[in-house]
Amino acid sequence: DGGITQSPKYLFRKEGQNVTLSCEQNLNHDAMYWYRQDPGQGLRLIYYSQIVNDFQKGDIAEGYSVSREKKESFPLTVTSAQKNPTAFYLCASSINGPRGGIQPQHFGDGTRLSIL
Amino acid sequence: EDKVVQSPLSLVVHEGDTVTLNCSYEVTNFRSLLWYKQEKKAPTFLFMLTSSGIEKKSGRLSSILDKKELFSILNITATQTGDSAVYLCAVWDGGSQGNLIFGKGTKLSVKP
Repeated sequence: DGGITQSPKYLFRKEGQNVTLSCEQNLNHDAMYWYRQDPGQGLRLIYYSQIVNDFQKGDIAEGYSVSREKKESFPLTVTSAQKNPTAFYLCASSINGPRGGIQPQHFGDGTRLSIL
Repeated sequence: EDKVVQSPLSLVVHEGDTVTLNCSYEVTNFRSLLWYKQEKKAPTFLFMLTSSGIEKKSGRLSSILDKKELFSILNITATQTGDSAVYLCAVWDGGSQGNLIFGKGTKLSVKP
């Protein structure tokens, strides 16, 4: 079955520690995204990538880093510089839309990150 | 500043009721509005609306966009307990592909 796989489902971070969240898709989508969701809040974009080896910052990129070495994979690292990392992290992917349009994003099941 | 506002933030109904969820927006260069349903984990795509006045329908769910008054509604008829979820509205402003602006969502609870 095609889809987006995020791992782990739950992750705990110690103070001063970097952690990496995995996102893999087998939908052959060009674009991939990382969002953060806090309780009672909408999704906020952290980073996105439209093609391999290229990515752009979203609204809340500070304290996070990404890489896009393969089309299928878009890992997110939460660095120690992110002082409030406790949140639900969602990865998404989409086909790149036609000129002047977009395609709906498809989401993974998320990773819940907590501070120890 | 661009913003998307959903109302109500939460709603409790009984099975069989009809509900209307609202999404209003103030977005420069509006291009499209999307609705998602989020149960426990992954939001799932429901509708994408680009043109005013054209209803999109899928089973008991329907949605319409009013670009003059800057809002969209999502209707659910004959609600079922399986409709319980957070419904998210997002707007694309025509910028880069990643630039969706999300509302905070409406939490719908359907009681038996």
